[in-house]
Amino acid sequence: AQTVTQSQPEMSVQEAETVTLSCTYDTSESDYYLFWYKQPPSRQMILVIRQEAYKQQNATENRFSVNFQKAAKSFSLKISDSQLGDAAMYFCAYRSALNTGNQFYFGTGTSLTVIP
Amino acid sequence: EPEVTQTPSHQVTQMGQEVILRCVPISNHLYFYWYRQILGQKVEFLVSFYNNEISEKSEIFDDQFSVERPDGSNFTLKIRSTKLEDSAMYFCASSRDRRTNTEAFFGQGTRLTVV
Repeated sequence: AQTVTQSQPEMSVQEAETVTLSCTYDTSESDYYLFWYKQPPSRQMILVIRQEAYKQQNATENRFSVNFQKAAKSFSLKISDSQLGDAAMYFCAYRSALNTGNQFYFGTGTSLTVIP
Repeated sequence: EPEVTQTPSHQVTQMGQEVILRCVPISNHLYFYWYRQILGQKVEFLVSFYNNEISEKSEIFDDQFSVERPDGSNFTLKIRSTKLEDSAMYFCASSRDRRTNTEAFFGQGTRLTVV
């Protein structure tokens, strides 16, 4: 089974600074998708960014970007110019591309605090 | 913007009782999921549902659990004879289709406390 590991239970960043959240995963599959979800205190998880494993180019969404290292099975999230609204729990997730409708595998999450 | 809604936001129940957690997925979505998150642990997959039947389920989803879509809009998770270890946040999610690059949209969760 696939596993997703987030080794940083908590992180903090000064407002306007940059922070990187780590994620590693284990899989024997070659085709899959990776996601970062944000879970603010209101508890609704929101998709931040997604990466297709077959794409070498790292995904970018405004202030959010990823560093996808397929050989190392690493998928880190970089948040630039951090804002107070970025404070949340961040979950890394994996989804196989082999079978449609497959489940998401989540990491344990990283709680991000943004310091004013 | 359309969103997945879950009710209630918090449910307290006595051990051994049955609970039904309700979800209204996004209206044009076809694939539905239930996940749970025990406090401090990872979000765990329970079950996926498509075309009015279970598509996939985890080993957590045993005979104690059941899902149904009774009226074409609601998607419910029933937990029979609740146990203390069922206490968790339960998330409903839906996705537009079965393609695996499609994101899932999550509800805000129902916190279930079994006492």
